[in-house]
Amino acid sequence: GENVEQHPSTLSVQEGDSAVIKCTYSDSASNYFPWYKQELGKRPQLIIDIRSNVGEKKDQRIAVTLNKTAKHFSLHITETQPEDSAVYFCAASSISNFGNEKLTFGTGTRLTIIP
Amino acid sequence: EPEVTQTPSHQVTQMGQEVILRCVPISNHLYFYWYRQILGQKVEFLVSFYNNEISEKSEIFDDQFSVERPDGSNFTLKIRSTKLEDSAMYFCASRPGLALVGNNEQFFGPGTRLTVL
Repeated sequence: GENVEQHPSTLSVQEGDSAVIKCTYSDSASNYFPWYKQELGKRPQLIIDIRSNVGEKKDQRIAVTLNKTAKHFSLHITETQPEDSAVYFCAASSISNFGNEKLTFGTGTRLTIIP
Repeated sequence: EPEVTQTPSHQVTQMGQEVILRCVPISNHLYFYWYRQILGQKVEFLVSFYNNEISEKSEIFDDQFSVERPDGSNFTLKIRSTKLEDSAMYFCASRPGLALVGNNEQFFGPGTRLTVL
């Protein structure tokens, strides 16, 4: 089955600096890679996702890059703000037309923005 | 904006007791999931459900677990005889429709924290 590794486990950056979180996956059939943000005691919420036919996707301060050959994908947050402090999870799944795909999550990165 | 809801928010039970965790997915969604998250660890897939049947389950989802969609709106997870290691946050999620047309996002509920004593 799929295995997703995520690094680093904790990350502290100064407000305004950039943060990068990296994930690798094992199953070459995986073709959908979402990133979820989870604030303390709250539900995971999707912040950005990418499908395998795209190498990069950007949404304001957040971007995700995907290298299918190397089986890794990364989350980039620019101009970080205190409200970006949370745990971030990457995930992978293989979607199909009968798509009942499960998400396999990484171990999470606790991001702390230092004011 | 519609959200997935879950009840109760916190359930405390004695080891060996049965618990039922309840979820109301977003109304026009077709695919339903249960995940769990042991404190401080990653989110783990338990089971997926479509068209009134289980489509996939993980190794965690053994004979002690069952799911049901009893009335077209609720989606329940039952643990027949709880163990200490079942203590975790249980998240329900739902997804709209066919993934290839872009409906990929799984929307998560707020979770039920299960504590087994």
